[in-house]
Amino acid sequence: GENVEQHPSTLSVQEGDSAVIKCTYSDSASNYFPWYKQELGKRPQLIIDIRSNVGEKKDQRIAVTLNKTAKHFSLHITETQPEDSAVYFCAASISFNKFYFGSGTKLNVKP
Amino acid sequence: SAVISQKPSRDICQRGTSLTIQCQVDSQVTMMFWYRQQPGQSLTLIATANQGSEATYESGFVIDKFPISRPNLTFSTLTVSNMSPEDSSIYLCSVVGQSGTGELFFGEGSRLTVL
Repeated sequence: GENVEQHPSTLSVQEGDSAVIKCTYSDSASNYFPWYKQELGKRPQLIIDIRSNVGEKKDQRIAVTLNKTAKHFSLHITETQPEDSAVYFCAASISFNKFYFGSGTKLNVKP
Repeated sequence: SAVISQKPSRDICQRGTSLTIQCQVDSQVTMMFWYRQQPGQSLTLIATANQGSEATYESGFVIDKFPISRPNLTFSTLTVSNMSPEDSSIYLCSVVGQSGTGELFFGEGSRLTVL
């Protein structure tokens, strides 16, 4: 199956700074790349996604970029806030048939 | 969106026993996915359950250990058989919503502790 790698495993930033999380995938057939946020003890929730026909997508403070040639995609969070502290997972899917997740990044935003 | 209910939410089990987790969705869906999330780890796909056919298992997971049923388009069960402490984990059921956006929705998870 698809192999998704995610870095860094932990990220600590000061409130107001930006945070960047990077993922790579192995299967060039993957065409859908969501990002999930998981707060402690809760289920993962979708925060943003991007499809393979788009290079960048933005939603307020969150943006995702995709480089199909290099098979990598990144999550960018600007003006971080303490409530952004959580574990973030990237994932890759081929037409929503299966979803393979990265190893996760624990983001800590210090007030 | 999709609302997913899982039972049990948590359980403590004895080594060598089996436990069945139930997943109920509020809408008809073609595929249901079962994931395992070990403490502090990522989400690992166990299998994909399709109604009317056998589940498709990922590498490292076998039907004898994780038998799955999918009797209709809104329900599935995952059994963890002959449990060992290494099976202690959160098991999550998930589905793709019917809106066409591709969003994957998760149940609240079933936290199993094997003694």
